[in-house]
Order: sequence, then structure tokens, then C-alpha cells
Amino acid sequence: ETGVTQTPRHLVMGMTNKKSLKCEQHLGHNAMYWYKQSAKKPLELMFVYSLEERVENNSVPSRFSPECPNSSHLFLHLHTLQPEDSALYLCASSHGDTLYGYTFGSGTRLTVV
Amino acid sequence: GQQVMQIPQYQHVQEGEDFTTYCNSSTTLSNIQWYKQRPGGHPVFLIQLVKSGEVKKQKRLTFQFGEAKKNSSLHITATQTTDVGTYFCAGTNDYKLSFGAGTTVTVRA
Repeated sequence: ETGVTQTPRHLVMGMTNKKSLKCEQHLGHNAMYWYKQSAKKPLELMFVYSLEERVENNSVPSRFSPECPNSSHLFLHLHTLQPEDSALYLCASSHGDTLYGYTFGSGTRLTVV
Repeated sequence: GQQVMQIPQYQHVQEGEDFTTYCNSSTTLSNIQWYKQRPGGHPVFLIQLVKSGEVKKQKRLTFQFGEAKKNSSLHITATQTTDVGTYFCAGTNDYKLSFGAGTTVTVRA
């Protein structure tokens, strides 16, 4: 257990489905992140929340919608995804600036069919 | 934008041998972090280097930050099967953390 919990661990969804990924941390961190990890590609930063405010959105398609209701929880809402969105989605948290290492969750392995 | 490049992409090592993986940035970095991701796992923070020329050791792993703060290296001595995985460097510039593509290490017993 890393201190950052992601659910579900695996998800298979159709292109017309709506689903949500959940991330939870109780490390006292004030920044949370969503990353996408595809095979043979660098980790792609999707969204950054600092003190519950979205501070970065790296040109992510609108079919991905983040939500951060408080500093301990982060969601990624998914709708009308494409097969190329299949990947490992990783949540991470940190003390809010890049002077500290990130703690990653175990990830959600998403397959879009 | 800032890019962090890692070489080699793949490293096949005989058990017991040493190897080094390198990380290079196009811009000067405030700090550099290293992570390890085991097969089927998630990235785990290993260490952070902040000072120019800094060297840190963790058992058989030696991490170095270049004098110009644009490159870093990870040297592993006497490789073991437990060293298998992908090693990522991540550099900070302008308060943004950018990950390299990683070096995937396999070990021949």
C-alpha cells in the first residue's frame, strides 16, 4: 500500500460508457495529479490540482473530466472514450511543489473496447 | 518546452555486472528525481538531487547530478534480479516536473 489508493485496479469500458476513476490519499499532501502511462511513452501529465484548485490542464480532450472535491480525493470522469485512450492511469500526490517526490497510486488499467 | 531524455531505452545486464543509465535535459534543472517502476507496478520515488555535482548513494545505487545541473546518472553495481524494472528520471524547471521515457532493465541470471 503506497498511501495513495486508486480504484478500480482494472476497468473495461465501451466507447459509449461513462465511468469514473477514484484516487484517495491520506498523506497530508496538498497537490494531486493524474498521469497517463501508455506503452513505450513517457508519463504524460494530464491534470494538476493544488489546494483543490486545478492549476494545470495539459491539453487533455474534454472526454476526460477531473474533479477534486477536497485535498484527499481526486476523480477522473470518463465518457465516450476512444480505443487509443486505453492505458494505465496513475494518480499521484505530493507536498505541493516539485521539491518533494511524488507518491503514486497503483494505477487503473483501462481498456476501451 | 523542457525535455528530459534518458539513455539507453533498454539495458540488458548480466547478473553481477554494473551499469549506468543517463538522463539529459535541454534546460537547467532545479532538481532531479529518480523513480523505479517494477513490471506491473507503479513508479516509486527513490531519491532527489538538488545541488550541482551532488552524489548520493543507496546501497548499490549511486546517483549523480551534473555540475551544470542539466544531466544526471544512476549507476548500479553488482546487478541483482531485484533490480529489474524501469528507472525514470524527472527534472524540475520553472516548477514543472518532466519525466523521461525511462530505462527498462532486464537481468540475465
